[in-house]
Amino acid sequence: QVQLVESGGGVVQPGGSLRLSCAASGFTFSSYGMHWVRQAPGKGLEWVAFIRYDGSNKYYADSVKGRFTISRDNSKNTLYLQMNSLRAEDTAVYYCAKVPGVYGDNDAFDIWGQGTMVTVSS
Amino acid sequence: EIVMTQSPATLSVSPGERATLSCRASQSVSSNLAWYQQKPGQAPRLLIYGASTRATGIPARFSGSGSGTEFTLTISSLQSEDFAVYYCQQYNNWPQTFGQGTKLEIK
Repeated sequence: QVQLVESGGGVVQPGGSLRLSCAASGFTFSSYGMHWVRQAPGKGLEWVAFIRYDGSNKYYADSVKGRFTISRDNSKNTLYLQMNSLRAEDTAVYYCAKVPGVYGDNDAFDIWGQGTMVTVSS
Repeated sequence: EIVMTQSPATLSVSPGERATLSCRASQSVSSNLAWYQQKPGQAPRLLIYGASTRATGIPARFSGSGSGTEFTLTISSLQSEDFAVYYCQQYNNWPQTFGQGTKLEIK
């Protein structure tokens, strides 16, 4: 079945770096745009970043622009989020999610991973 | 950035009754509006996209309506498993934005 599994979360000091991964299975990963969405403890959802199915286009939330980089390896069916210069306010559960339509861009999220927790603390 | 505002923040409804949740956009998002359900400790689940189209496997008691700036999610007869937090999301413009959520609780 269609599945997304995040990994790479953990505890990191302010100013540090972390790379999240999202392993996809059960669908043709290379045909779908992918997102990262985060949720701070007890708070709502915040969209973080999007990458087009072929990696040719990327969008970022202003809160992470210049610090986070979204990428993908279609040969490995894996999505990444490189997070640098981390701040306390980046503490959240990070979800990867796919768009429903083949080659789709700006769209809803039909499948979500279970999330990985990132804690930024000294 | 388009601001999405949901109301009410908390809605108390008895099982079997109807629940109506609202979402307002600060500017038109056409019909590019989705609704998600989230239960504690779980990832969100897509309920409605295109403002009114139910996602795969979503029961018919969930319905969405609206366009432009005003949207509604209606749950016609609440089941115990429907008590959760609901989020609206616009995907008409970048950055995509979510409402702050409506918590649907048992009365």
